[in-house]
Amino acid sequence: AQTVTQSQPEMSVQEAETVTLSCTYDTSESDYYLFWYKQPPSRQMILVIRQEAYKQQNATENRFSVNFQKAAKSFSLKISDSQLGDAAMYFCAYSKTQGGSEKLVFGKGMKLTVNP
Amino acid sequence: DSGVTQTPKHLITATGQRVTLRCSPRSGDLSVYWYQQSLDQGLQFLIQYYNGEERAKGNILERFSAQQFPDLHSELNLSSLELGDSALYFCASGTAMNTEAFFGQGTRLTVV
Repeated sequence: AQTVTQSQPEMSVQEAETVTLSCTYDTSESDYYLFWYKQPPSRQMILVIRQEAYKQQNATENRFSVNFQKAAKSFSLKISDSQLGDAAMYFCAYSKTQGGSEKLVFGKGMKLTVNP
Repeated sequence: DSGVTQTPKHLITATGQRVTLRCSPRSGDLSVYWYQQSLDQGLQFLIQYYNGEERAKGNILERFSAQQFPDLHSELNLSSLELGDSALYFCASGTAMNTEAFFGQGTRLTVV
């Protein structure tokens, strides 16, 4: 069975600084997708970034980028120029597909605080 | 707006009672997923329906059941409720053609 581990339950960062959220996972599959979801106080689950396992290039979305290490089964999220609106719970997730035709396996989440 | 609608947004009920949570997926999405988010367990997959049929089952208790109707909306039934069932219940929908699964805003269930 696939598992996703987020070992840091909480982190804080100063506004405009950079922070890295860590995630490790376990799977025997060779093709899969990894995701970072953001859950603000509104509780809406918002997809931040996705990574296809077959792509060696790390995904980037504006201020968000990932460091995907397939051999190490590591998938960290870097947030650059942190903003107050980045404060939220962040969940790392795994799926066999990207499009919602397979379930997501989530880590337990990490609470990010952004200090002004 | 994700296009996934969950009702009700909040629900408070007593132990031993039964409740029904409803989810309307995005137009065209055939898969519906139910997830439970609790403080100690994080987000856990409960069950998936695809075009009316059960497709996959996760850590869903026997007291819980779900179904997907011909119009593709889904209901999650929780019975003999216990205090520990208090959680946020999310519905998500998706299809192989999508680039992501889409989540509703969740139903906050409080059992007192």
